[in-house]
Amino acid sequence: TQLLEQSPQFLSIQEGENLTVYCNSSSVFSSLQWYRQEPGEGPVLLVTVVTGGEVKKLKRLTFQFGDARKDSSLHITAAQTGDTGLYLCAGASGGYQKVTFGTGTKLQVIP
Amino acid sequence: DVKVTQSSRYLVKRTGEKVFLECVQDMDHENMFWYRQDPGLGLRLIYFSYDVKMKEKGDIPEGYSVSREKKERFSLILESASTNQTSMYLCASSLHRGGTEAFFGQGTRLTVV
Repeated sequence: TQLLEQSPQFLSIQEGENLTVYCNSSSVFSSLQWYRQEPGEGPVLLVTVVTGGEVKKLKRLTFQFGDARKDSSLHITAAQTGDTGLYLCAGASGGYQKVTFGTGTKLQVIP
Repeated sequence: DVKVTQSSRYLVKRTGEKVFLECVQDMDHENMFWYRQDPGLGLRLIYFSYDVKMKEKGDIPEGYSVSREKKERFSLILESASTNQTSMYLCASSLHRGGTEAFFGQGTRLTVV
């Protein structure tokens, strides 16, 4: 079973601060997705990265896929309270591109 | 607006009861999935289906079964609920057989007492 470790597990920061969360594995993935899950809701897809070294930006969020396609990071600039939630990474591999989810980073942005 | 809808947000059931969790999607996706989500463990795949009447075991199928009689509907069944099945259950659908870029329902928080 492939494992995706996310760090940190919990993060509490003030509004306006910057932060980075990480998603690491010893396995190579064909693609990697990031989801955000708000309390009481299902995860919502934020982005997919597919090429080693790829960087994608979504407003204040910057996603990077590692060169070796084993890890990824999510950087949030000037965090807002609306960024509060659980951030999940999910890597796909194998013939059917089976997805493995990470353990999640719970982010709290305090006003 | 695309949607995956789960029939209940919250359920409380007794040990030994048979429990049905229903999920409907309106995106005409062939692939549907059931996950459970527990703190510190991420999402774990219980079962998935890539066509009507087809089903495949995921990583933790024990104690569960599924039914896919129509393309848009995928049901998860707990044959005899146990307390260790208390969890958040998430249904998802995807264009992709492996479950990438999935659309999730709002989740059902099941408590077995």
